[in-house]
Amino acid sequence: AQSVTQPDIHITVSEGASLELRCNYSYGATPYLFWYVQSPGQGLQLLLKYFSGDTLVQGIKGFEAEFKRSQSSFNLRKPSVHWSDAAEYFCAVGEGGNNRKLIWGLGTSLAVNP
Amino acid sequence: DAGVIQSPRHEVTEMGQEVTLRCKPISGHNSLFWYRQTMMRGLELLIYFNNNVPIDDSGMPEDRFSAKMPNASFSTLKIQPSEPRDSAVYFCASSLQGARNIQYFGAGTRLSVL
Repeated sequence: AQSVTQPDIHITVSEGASLELRCNYSYGATPYLFWYVQSPGQGLQLLLKYFSGDTLVQGIKGFEAEFKRSQSSFNLRKPSVHWSDAAEYFCAVGEGGNNRKLIWGLGTSLAVNP
Repeated sequence: DAGVIQSPRHEVTEMGQEVTLRCKPISGHNSLFWYRQTMMRGLELLIYFNNNVPIDDSGMPEDRFSAKMPNASFSTLKIQPSEPRDSAVYFCASSLQGARNIQYFGAGTRLSVL
């Protein structure tokens, strides 16, 4: 069965520092991969997605993610974190086709120190 | 586009009462998902519909929970009778067939059962 692991429950970084949030998935074929962000009291917003092609994808708010098939990973990165990036980040994987479900990681909570 | 609209945003009720949560998906989207989010269990898929038909309700916790989608622009999630352990944030999301599983979320309903 498909699964998504976000190994880091909570991360704290200083404003201006670089960020990498880890995501590992278990899936036989090439999956659809997503990162969503949830600000406090809000719904989830799509940051970026990978379907095929270039393994480095760009998203909103200056985020990027790299798909590494050999490592079954889809890590999220940002070169310089802003205080407004403090939020919960979720990685998800989808099968596509007739199965519309997404399998979700448990999330990583990001705190940003001034 | 108005996005996915959920109502109410907050609901406080007493144990044993019926609770109805409402969702209006993005116009033209043909898949709708109900999720529950708690600190302990993270984001759980309760049920999803495709073209107004329930496809997978394996996540519905028990018979106290029911969901309907009478038409393409409206869905309800009902809990009867409610219990304190149902306290959570409930999200609705919608997606468009052929859009590779991209889901768009509402702002959620925070339910407190006293």
